[in-house]
Amino acid sequence: EADIYQTPRYLVIGTGKKITLECSQTMGHDKMYWYQQDPGMELHLIHYSYGVNSTEKGDLSSESTVSRIRTEHFPLTLESARPSHTSQYLCASSEFNRDYYGYTFGSGTRLTVV
Amino acid sequence: AQSVTQPDIHITVSEGASLELRCNYSYGATPYLFWYVQSPGQGLQLLLKYFSGDTLVQGIKGFEAEFKRSQSSFNLRKPSVHWSDAAEYFCAVGAPVNDYKLSFGAGTTVTVRA
Repeated sequence: EADIYQTPRYLVIGTGKKITLECSQTMGHDKMYWYQQDPGMELHLIHYSYGVNSTEKGDLSSESTVSRIRTEHFPLTLESARPSHTSQYLCASSEFNRDYYGYTFGSGTRLTVV
Repeated sequence: AQSVTQPDIHITVSEGASLELRCNYSYGATPYLFWYVQSPGQGLQLLLKYFSGDTLVQGIKGFEAEFKRSQSSFNLRKPSVHWSDAAEYFCAVGAPVNDYKLSFGAGTTVTVRA
């Protein structure tokens, strides 16, 4: 079954560490997204990509960076984690055509920076 | 730009009772509207979506939603709530002007009491 996978599910890490959150999808979707979600809050778009070698910043400013070297892979990196980065990060991919418009979300990575 | 408002932060409902979650959007034309559900520690699962046509849409898990253009609303309903419906519910809107990127409401947390 086509799906979108995020690893790790949970991560507790010390301040100043470099981390990479992984996101992979098997659907061949060109468009991929990273959302940040604080507890009890709405999801904010922090990065998106419309294809290989395409990355853009989203509506919410983030110190993280992303890359898109392969269609199926869209990792998010924090060079130096801080407690303010503690949040849940959700990855998604989407497809749009005349007959279909939909998103698929991963299960998320809950990041805690101590 | 599009935006979404979910006026109710938290709703408590008895098992077997009906449920209605409110969603209002702001957009100049008819946007694409979605309802997602998120269980604790999980990603987002699509309940239903509206693009055009019949303004009453049926979704999974017995949910339905009604699009009312005059009220800029897309309220979610379920006639009889089950304990497993306890979760957080997000309304989202996408539109061509924003290249179909989703904007989310702040979410409504639903608690089901026995």
